[in-house]
Amino acid sequence: QKEVEQNSGPLSVPEGAIASLNCTYSDRVSQSFFWYRQYSGKSPELIMSIYSNGDKEDGRFTAQLNKASQYVSLLIRDSQPSDSATYLCALSLSGNEKLTFGTGTRLTIIP
Amino acid sequence: DTEVTQTPKHLVMGMTNKKSLKCEQHMGHRAMYWYKQKAKKPPELMFVYSYEKLSINESVPSRFSPECPNSSLLNLHLHALQPEDSALYLCASSQRAGGDYGYTFGSGTRLTVV
Repeated sequence: QKEVEQNSGPLSVPEGAIASLNCTYSDRVSQSFFWYRQYSGKSPELIMSIYSNGDKEDGRFTAQLNKASQYVSLLIRDSQPSDSATYLCALSLSGNEKLTFGTGTRLTIIP
Repeated sequence: DTEVTQTPKHLVMGMTNKKSLKCEQHMGHRAMYWYKQKAKKPPELMFVYSYEKLSINESVPSRFSPECPNSSLLNLHLHALQPEDSALYLCASSQRAGGDYGYTFGSGTRLTVV
């Protein structure tokens, strides 16, 4: 089983709808979780971090973490065409010096 | 200054060439990273520097040689590369080594080996 799993997509969502991106992970001691957005040909950009169970909201973005079920998700409300990108889930183990990335989900917002 | 600056943005090199990639940050971050990313794949960790010391080498071939001259600079020296080394090379930094801190990525160097 891969350490971090994401549906590669593409995920197509109409403009103005909610985009829901999911990520599951295998290691129960994972501590910190991140969502990165990467536009084609560009570098990853950190958009959300979450460390404890529950929801964390930042503007149109909400990250949700459920450590018991080992999943983390990202909701994008009022999706815009500019949200079209690949979204990478990343996590770390406590005391580990590196992030482990998922393969990414390609999101397309349809005008 | 909240940026990680990488130069050059694009590099084409022959298999016998020697070149260097440069990375600079002025955020006071004490951890810096080199990642390699192939098309439609996630970034792959190559090296981690913590307080200017190499702390992780992910079994990277010796034709890639990292260097951290000071807390703001990170170099990647390239020699005798192969065409399969063509990729986007990303530098990142974080407050401290460890995944508890989000990384800030530079814009990357698109490397083509011919």
